Amino acid sequence: ELKVEQNPLFLSMQEGKNYTIYCNYSTTSDRLYWYRQDPGKSLESLFVLLSNGAVKQEGRLMASLDTKARLSTLHITAAVHDLSATYFCAVEGGSQGNLIFGKGTKLSVKP
Amino acid sequence: DVKVTQSSRYLVKRTGEKVFLECVQDMDHENMFWYRQDPGLGLRLIYFSYDVKMKEKGDIPEGYSVSREKKERFSLILESASTNQTSMYLCASSLWGLGRTQFFGPGTRLTVL
Repeated sequence: ELKVEQNPLFLSMQEGKNYTIYCNYSTTSDRLYWYRQDPGKSLESLFVLLSNGAVKQEGRLMASLDTKARLSTLHITAAVHDLSATYFCAVEGGSQGNLIFGKGTKLSVKP
Repeated sequence: DVKVTQSSRYLVKRTGEKVFLECVQDMDHENMFWYRQDPGLGLRLIYFSYDVKMKEKGDIPEGYSVSREKKERFSLILESASTNQTSMYLCASSLWGLGRTQFFGPGTRLTVL
């Protein structure tokens, strides 16, 4: 059974600081997704990582994938309040593209 | 822009009622998915469909059924709602195949009394 574990589950940061969210998964997969969810809203796609060594960056967020270690990271650089949200990683778990989600990391960025 | 819409944002039903949640996408996607989201549990897949009239069970199909009569529409049915089905329900769609981003609807918050 494919399992996806994120840590930390809760993260309180000060503005301007850097931090990394980790996503470990339990089986071989070359495809990993990061989503953002604001309170009361739906999920918004952030990154799609489709091969070992893939790195994607958007603004203050950078995601990477190491399929050998079964690990993806989401790095936050110089956090700002607008990044406060819950971040989910998801791994493709089936032949039809269905996703297995981690439990999410709730990020709170404080002034 | 991809658009996935869900019929209701909030729904309150009574135990034992039959409940229909509707999802429509306008991007001609082959795949459609139903998830439920609960605090501390993340998103869990209920059912998905990769073609009209096709369906596959996800991780937690018990107590649910689905219908896909047209490509753009995917319905989730609670045959006899129970209080433990109180949850946020999210619909998503994607193109067929692997490595395809799923696009999510706004969600339906269902309360079963």
